[in-house]
Amino acid sequence: QVQLQLWGAGLLRPSETLSLTCAVSGGSISHYYWTWIRQPPGKGLQWIGEINHSGSTNNNPSLKSRVTISVDMSKNHFSLNLRSVTAADSAVYYCARATVTAYSYSGLDVWGQGATVTVSS
Amino acid sequence: EIVLTQSPGTLSLSPGEGATLSCRASQSFSSNFLAWYQQKPGQAPRLLIYGSSSRATGVPDRFSGSASGTDFTLTISRLEPEDFAVYYCQQYGNSPRLTFGGGTKVEI
Repeated sequence: QVQLQLWGAGLLRPSETLSLTCAVSGGSISHYYWTWIRQPPGKGLQWIGEINHSGSTNNNPSLKSRVTISVDMSKNHFSLNLRSVTAADSAVYYCARATVTAYSYSGLDVWGQGATVTVSS
Repeated sequence: EIVLTQSPGTLSLSPGEGATLSCRASQSFSSNFLAWYQQKPGQAPRLLIYGSSSRATGVPDRFSGSASGTDFTLTISRLEPEDFAVYYCQQYGNSPRLTFGGGTKVEI
């Protein structure tokens, strides 16, 4: 079955760029929507953004223009860059998959294991 | 922007009892785009329900979802010990494209 493996730097200093990659195994990256979500310690889930198989993206306006999400079809993975991080960006970051049509939504049915990112000087 | 308000914040119950979790949307949207998740400590969320009422693969039938206008409900018919967790509702398709409710903790 499809699995998502997440990796990237776990400790950053303020103003640095957070970079995470989510590798898709056991299936194709095509025909799905690939999502980034984060969860600050002790808090709820926050949507960061998504990218589909054609490279079209949508980001959370609250993160303004700090977010870049990209997909590499040849490597079957997708990535998140979050610029100018602060302590408020410390969280567990997840990647996840959804199937979306004009009339239906599958939910986020496959999740990566989560990666803890800490921003500290 | 659609805001999802979950209630109650915490539900204290015993195994064998039923649980009713509420998710109220600030605006109307298609029930096809509402999902529910279960999250246990240290784990990624797990999809339970999509399309407001369809169970995801492998989800026991004691979990059910329903929708009425802007009100969405997750019902757990008889709580098993492994059901004690935090539950989130989530909408897709409006601006911002995806939002979660604040969560309901079901505790013993």
